[in-house]
Formats: sequence, structure tokens, C-alpha cells
Amino acid sequence: QVQLQESGPGLVKPSQTLSLTCTVSGDSINSGGYYWSWIRQHPGKGLEWIGYIYYTGTTHYNPSLKNRITISVDTSENQFSLKLSSVTAADTAVYYCAREPLLRYYGMDVWGQGTTVTVSS
Amino acid sequence: EIVLTQSPGTLSLSPGERATLSCRASQSVSSNYLTWYQQKPDQAPRLLIYGASNRATGIPDRFSGSGSGTDFTLTISRLAPEDFAVYYCQQYGSSPTTFGPGTKVDIK
Repeated sequence: QVQLQESGPGLVKPSQTLSLTCTVSGDSINSGGYYWSWIRQHPGKGLEWIGYIYYTGTTHYNPSLKNRITISVDTSENQFSLKLSSVTAADTAVYYCAREPLLRYYGMDVWGQGTTVTVSS
Repeated sequence: EIVLTQSPGTLSLSPGERATLSCRASQSVSSNYLTWYQQKPDQAPRLLIYGASNRATGIPDRFSGSGSGTDFTLTISRLAPEDFAVYYCQQYGSSPTTFGPGTKVDIK
């Protein structure tokens, strides 16, 4: 059974960089069948796709966040990571990692439980 | 960017009733790249429907999806107690993928 687990600081100061890691178990990131994505959900709000990475390192980002995002992959650790720079209170959210088949028609079929990140001094 | 609008915002129904949720796109969603998710409090979203009308693995057949172009519907034929949740639609037809604001189905 495939499982994803987010980890990282729950509190980040304004203007700093938010860093999260998603550890994948039960599947190999470099199996090649999936994109590995980050999504966030602001408190009491809907969902916002942040971006994804393929095991080769190819990335695709949401243009609204593109200048501040870096998504990377570590296939040896079966992990992928998100860095979001210059954070403000508006980046306070629950951050999820998820798996997407290469044919994205099939939707995000496995999600992590989510991790809450608060931006505050 | 395609904007998705979901209606109603909240649907108050009793167990056993039929729920009809709407998702409308600002532009046609190509190839019916439209998915539905269910989210319960303090849980991650769960994939219900992909390709507008295909149930994901393990999803009960009381859930069905339909529609094309700009208008899509999620129907729950008979609400079970565990179905009270928030439902989101998502489009993959145009980049970036976007989600609707959600419809909350709560107990009347």
C-alpha cells in the first residue's frame, strides 16, 4: 500500500523559506509512472495546486507561485521536497503531497495526511 | 486559467436522500479531464471520480459523475452517514490544474 508522509517545521517566520519533505513508502519514485505533487489548503478554504516533479527532475509549477517555488527529488531516499521562499502570512496553510499518474486524467490517487505550516514571527 | 464554480455552497440533506452537486467551468474542459474529491474534517482529499464519470478504485457505486464541456455533476444516489463531507471538483484540461471552492454536504 502506497503511503505519503509530509514532514517539516510547523512554524516559519515571515520572509524566510518554507521547507517540506514528502517521504514515499510502498512505491518507488523512480518507477516512472507518476508525478509527485504538492498542494496546499488555506485555513477553511479550497485547494491550490503548487507544482509537481518527475523522478528525472522535470518540474512544472503553478505560475502564481513560480518565482518562489523549488521542488526537488531524492530518489535514493524516495523523497521529494518543496521550498517556498519569501513567505508571508498568506502562505499559512495545510500542505499536502500527492501522487498523480502521468496521464493526469486519472487524478491524484494517493495523498499524504497533510502538515500545517503557520507563517508568523 | 480555468475557474471552477461549484453550487450550491452547502447542501443540507438527510441520510438516504439524493445529492446533486454542480461544477461549472469558465471554459470548456478538454477531454473531460474533470475529477471529484471528497474531504472530511482533518483529512486529506480522497479521489472519487476521474475523467468526469469514472469511479476511482474502491468508490461505492452510489457515487456517479456526469457532464462534459463546462458543466459537470456529481450525484450521490442515497446518502450514507459517511458521505457528509466537502466535495471538490478539479480540472486538468488546462494548465495550471485548478480546483473548485467546494460544496459542503451536511446533515439536515
